[in-house]
Amino acid sequence: AQSVTQLDSQVPVFEEAPVELRCNYSSSVSVYLFWYVQYPNQGLQLLLKYLSGSTLVESINGFEAEFNKSQTSFHLRKPSVHISDTAEYFCAVSEAHNTDKLIFGTGTRLQVFP
Amino acid sequence: EAQVTQNPRYLITVTGKKLTVTCSQNMNHEYMSWYRQDPGLGLRQIYYSMNVEVTDKGDVPEGYKVSRKEKRNFPLILESPSPNQTSLYFCASRFGQSNNEQFFGPGTRLTVL
Repeated sequence: AQSVTQLDSQVPVFEEAPVELRCNYSSSVSVYLFWYVQYPNQGLQLLLKYLSGSTLVESINGFEAEFNKSQTSFHLRKPSVHISDTAEYFCAVSEAHNTDKLIFGTGTRLQVFP
Repeated sequence: EAQVTQNPRYLITVTGKKLTVTCSQNMNHEYMSWYRQDPGLGLRQIYYSMNVEVTDKGDVPEGYKVSRKEKRNFPLILESPSPNQTSLYFCASRFGQSNNEQFFGPGTRLTVL
């Protein structure tokens, strides 16, 4: 069975500082990996995803994540955060050949301070 | 506008009073799913549906029912709500395979007294 671990429940950071949100997964088969973002009082939105190919994937707002198969990780990074990045971030995994389920981590709340 | 809608957005009810939370999508998606979000637990899947008349249990189905009579609608039914079902509920839909993005509704905050 798959599982996702987000090691940090909260990450406080000052504006323009770099940030890394950690995600580790476990699965015995090939997986798809996702990061979703939830802004206050809203539903979740897809930030980026890894399906295959290049292990580094990027979003349109400056986030990137790197798939590391040996460490079973998919950490999310941004070199310089903005106040508007304050949100909760969820890592999620699904089996590559199983269309049924998307397993979410417990979430990391990113709080950006001025 | 492509979207997933949920109603109601907020609901306060009492133990044992049957309720239905509606979910509708206008994107012709085959796959629909219900999640509940609780502090420290992230999102947990309640039920999902691969297509019309095809539904299956997720990780936390106890106390919930669903139906999928039409492609666009996927209501969540609580026959006899209990306080431990107080939560934030999200409906989501997706086109095709699991590598595609899930689109989420705005959420329904349910309080059961």
